[in-house]
This record gives sequence, structure tokens and C-alpha cells, in this order.
Amino acid sequence: KAGVTQTPRYLIKTRGQQVTLSCSPISGHRSVSWYQQTPGQGLQFLFEYFSETQRNKGNFPGRFSGRQFSNSRSEMNVSTLELGDSALYLCASSLNVGGRTGELFFGEGSRLTVL
Amino acid sequence: GENVEQHPSTLSVQEGDSAVIKCTYSDSASNYFPWYKQELGKGPQLIIDIRSNVGEKKDQRIAVTLNKTAKHFSLHITETQPEDSAVYFCAADVGSQGNLIFGKGTKLSVKP
Repeated sequence: KAGVTQTPRYLIKTRGQQVTLSCSPISGHRSVSWYQQTPGQGLQFLFEYFSETQRNKGNFPGRFSGRQFSNSRSEMNVSTLELGDSALYLCASSLNVGGRTGELFFGEGSRLTVL
Repeated sequence: GENVEQHPSTLSVQEGDSAVIKCTYSDSASNYFPWYKQELGKGPQLIIDIRSNVGEKKDQRIAVTLNKTAKHFSLHITETQPEDSAVYFCAADVGSQGNLIFGKGTKLSVKP
């Protein structure tokens, strides 16, 4: 069974640009969550999508957005990039909404560097 | 807002020794407490979890204990091996939807 796939794995952008990251969940999983990982802050929850609807949102500015398609694949977008957006962005899939309902399966992440 | 505090941030032990990582949480309604292990270059992976109706859970060399009154839980690794070297994250569920809030991680180094 294929795991969670994130693309691209690495990317470099400049301040002010925008970026789109993609996540393909494990087959049959309908929930996709996004996390930002930085050395100082650890794993911070961005948002969760289930059946194409945003179910949860973390404490991030509106520059961070996402969506989910009918095949459960998800994308997240960051507009007007800032230096502080440099991070590893992790996607996790699960069968049901909410982390308490079961295991989160993480991808290997997309490492974004903003210059 | 709700948060999870994790200590220590780094931990170095000799192979064969035990390692303990501690977390405290703020949301008294939290009921689910997983632990994830992240190896270099990979995403976190669930290694053990515990729910609030259980005080302790073991799986071979790893165990988790929960004290709901004090709002803290701990990960115990016995007979550590070099392959246990990784970053470990604790988490707790919060809110009506139950999304996970993670601690900032503990980098465990096991020296042969």
C-alpha cells in the first residue's frame, strides 16, 4: 500500500512569491492534515480537510490556505511568502477526521526555503 | 490557547540505559495522547498511544504512563539501542474536532 506522497520535496522561493504544495493521502483515507515544522516551534497544526471541507484550522494568518479534491488529494498554498515561512511542511492522512480518532500517517514533507 | 510542553529538548544516553521523556498538557478535556518518532529525513511515525481511561500501556521496550489529575504523561524506553536515536514528539487532542497539538520534540541520542 503506497504511503503519503508529498510534492515537491524541496523548493526555494523569494519573499513575496507564492507557493503550492501537494499531498496525496493513503488510498481510502479521507482526512488530510497539514503541519508546519520548524526547529524552534516543533510541529504546528495548520488545518485539516475531510471530504473536501475544512474541519479544523490552526492559528496561522490568512496567507496560508488549502483545499481538498474529490479524490482526497490536498493542496496548501502560501501567498506573499516571508522569510519566517521557511520550514518543513508535513501532510498527514487518516481514515477519519480529528487526530484522536486514530493514527496519523505522515509524508516525508516539503522543505520550503524562502530567500 | 491550548498547548503541550515537552522536556527535555535533548537527551543523550548510553546504549542499554533507559530514557524518559515527559509532557504536560493544558486542556483538561484531552483524552488521547500519542507519541511519534521522527527519524532523519522522514515524517513522524506513531510508536505508541494511550487514552484517558488507561494509566499505563506497554509495547515491548516502550511504555507510556498517564496522570490525568496532574495533566502529564511520559514515554519510557528501556534497553535503548542506537536505532532509537530520533526526535520524539508527544501530542494531545484538543477541541471538539480533536486535532492534535504536538510538543516541541525531544532529540534522543543513544551512544553505542
